[in-house]
Amino acid sequence: AQRVTQPEKLLSVFKGAPVELKCNYSYSGSPELFWYVQYSRQRLQLLLRHISRESIKGFTADLNKGETSFHLKKPFAQEEDSAMYYCALKDTDKLIFGTGTRLQVFP
Amino acid sequence: DADVTQTPRNRITKTGKRIMLECSQTKGHDRMYWYRQDPGLGLRLIYYSFDVKDINKGEISDGYSVSRQAQAKFSLSLESAIPNQTALYFCATSDWGGRAQETQYFGPGTRLLVL
Repeated sequence: AQRVTQPEKLLSVFKGAPVELKCNYSYSGSPELFWYVQYSRQRLQLLLRHISRESIKGFTADLNKGETSFHLKKPFAQEEDSAMYYCALKDTDKLIFGTGTRLQVFP
Repeated sequence: DADVTQTPRNRITKTGKRIMLECSQTKGHDRMYWYRQDPGLGLRLIYYSFDVKDINKGEISDGYSVSRQAQAKFSLSLESAIPNQTALYFCATSDWGGRAQETQYFGPGTRLLVL
């Protein structure tokens, strides 16, 4: 079955520390993966998509088909990165979301 | 700015009552979605629609129904609300730019409490 797993409910780091939010997926075809973010009192919004291979707000994510992972990384966390992060997998016509990881960045 | 709006933003209702949550969009997108968000469970898809004549069940459609009144409007109904339908409900639209390019745009959410 198609599935997205985010093993960490909460990740706490200090400002300037590296961040890695884990995402693993289960999918029988060629996966299309996304990261969505929800900042406090803001709407859920797209952060980045794997097809674009881009860096957004300093975040990158690399698709590793061998490990079926799509971890989100940032070398130096900022306080404004504190938010809820969701990994999502495109399954035919819809998105399957993981359970989310809350990132807290302390000053 | 083109937007996705939801009404009401907050609602308290009683078990057994019928309730409708409304979603409107000015983005001109054909695709619309309803999700519920629960702590620890993430977002789960309830229903989705690709045009006015197209309605599809999602992962957790039991106890819910939808109506796509126009391209811009997609309503979610709880025919007989029960307490475990207490959740945050999100409407979303998407621009179909190809499977990998699609972006979903979310509304602000409706917080529903069923007593």
